Amino acid sequence: NAGVTQTPKFQVLKTGQSMTLQCAQDMNHEYMSWYRQDPGMGLRLIHYSVGAGITDQGEVPNGYNVSRSTTEDFPLRLLSAAPSQTSVYFCASSLDANYGYTFGSGTRLTVV
Amino acid sequence: EDKVVQSPLSLVVHEGDTVTLNCSYEVTNFRSLLWYKQEKKAPTFLFMLTSSGIEKKSGRLSSILDKKELFSILNITATQTGDSAVYLCAGPPPLSNTGNQFYFGTGTSLTVIP
Repeated sequence: NAGVTQTPKFQVLKTGQSMTLQCAQDMNHEYMSWYRQDPGMGLRLIHYSVGAGITDQGEVPNGYNVSRSTTEDFPLRLLSAAPSQTSVYFCASSLDANYGYTFGSGTRLTVV
Repeated sequence: EDKVVQSPLSLVVHEGDTVTLNCSYEVTNFRSLLWYKQEKKAPTFLFMLTSSGIEKKSGRLSSILDKKELFSILNITATQTGDSAVYLCAGPPPLSNTGNQFYFGTGTSLTVIP
């Protein structure tokens, strides 16, 4: 099993550009989440999903959109990139509420 | 207002020492609390704690939850240089919440000196 796969691993964007961070898992996990990690801030929840067709906002959702059309995929869209969105982004998934999350390897995003 | 608070922020110890990392939270009615280890890349899962007073153990690592006092500790005995990492606590969503989202603390950075 590949686990949780994130692409790309690195990305540089110009301010105002849009892009989609991809996340796919092959473990048939219902729950998926996106986190961003900044120095001194820990992991902060952006959006999460409890199943296909169901998404909700986390702590820091502004500037990001998500959708969950399939169980496997949970893409994160940056609508108009800003330097404040420079961060490392992690996607994570879990089977259900009784299990911890498995994390992807992360995407390092720089917005200039 | 932080939902999950970890202490200390950083710790430097010598190989062989025992360390205790702390995690406190504010939600009183919840399912579980998680501990993760993060080295250079993604966090890796250590423990999920759901019941108060029951110790979970994996090798030299152990963890326990106190639901009454709203905290958890992670113990590492006979530390090794490979234990150097950031240890993250993730707690807890309220039971009434249908999701499984967790709120992470800022972590404790552990450095083990040979």
